[in-house]
Amino acid sequence: DAGVIQSPRHEVTEMGQEVTLRCKPISGHDYLFWYRQTMMRGLELLIYFNNNVPIDDSGMPEDRFSAKMPNASFSTLKIQPSEPRDSAVYFCASRPIREAAFFGQGTRLTVV
Amino acid sequence: SQQGEEDPQALSIQEGENATMNCSYKTSINNLQWYRQNSGRGLVHLILIRSNEREKHSGRLRVTLDTSKKSSSLLITASRAADTASYFCATVLNSGNTPLVFGKGTRLSVIA
Repeated sequence: DAGVIQSPRHEVTEMGQEVTLRCKPISGHDYLFWYRQTMMRGLELLIYFNNNVPIDDSGMPEDRFSAKMPNASFSTLKIQPSEPRDSAVYFCASRPIREAAFFGQGTRLTVV
Repeated sequence: SQQGEEDPQALSIQEGENATMNCSYKTSINNLQWYRQNSGRGLVHLILIRSNEREKHSGRLRVTLDTSKKSSSLLITASRAADTASYFCATVLNSGNTPLVFGKGTRLSVIA
């Protein structure tokens, strides 16, 4: 398996635009996580899914953020409209139940 | 919260010395995991130690777990400049149906 794959690796967008981040988890993993990392706030859990079902989205900062997992091999995190304070590195991770997680390389988002 | 809390926040040592980082948590767990993050990259899993284990080794890494004190330590022996990174711990509860929530990590600097 190629590991957790995120796209794009870098995204620069203007304030107000819609941003969609994509993640392909490792096949067979039960859980998928979206994290956001900034210098100020560290690594924050945004939302996680179990078998494609969202379990806890309490970390999603605002209604501008939404995440979907239409099938076991794909998830998206969408920000609409984007704001400069959304600039961060966004990580996707997946893992089997009670096992270690594997992280993607992240998407560095810059909103100008 | 099942978040692990690492200390110290920062550690600076000379190459060849040993580095010890600690993690504390609050609830009963199924396992505890240590991760490393190099600047700008995703977290990489290092070691998973289960609640019925007291010590685990992987190369130059040694992890201990004290469930009575709800604490763990990560020892890196004979450190190298390449070990410079941030180190995080995270716990998984017995139900398994929990996310990995990370603390602020320990920033390790190994000086050549």
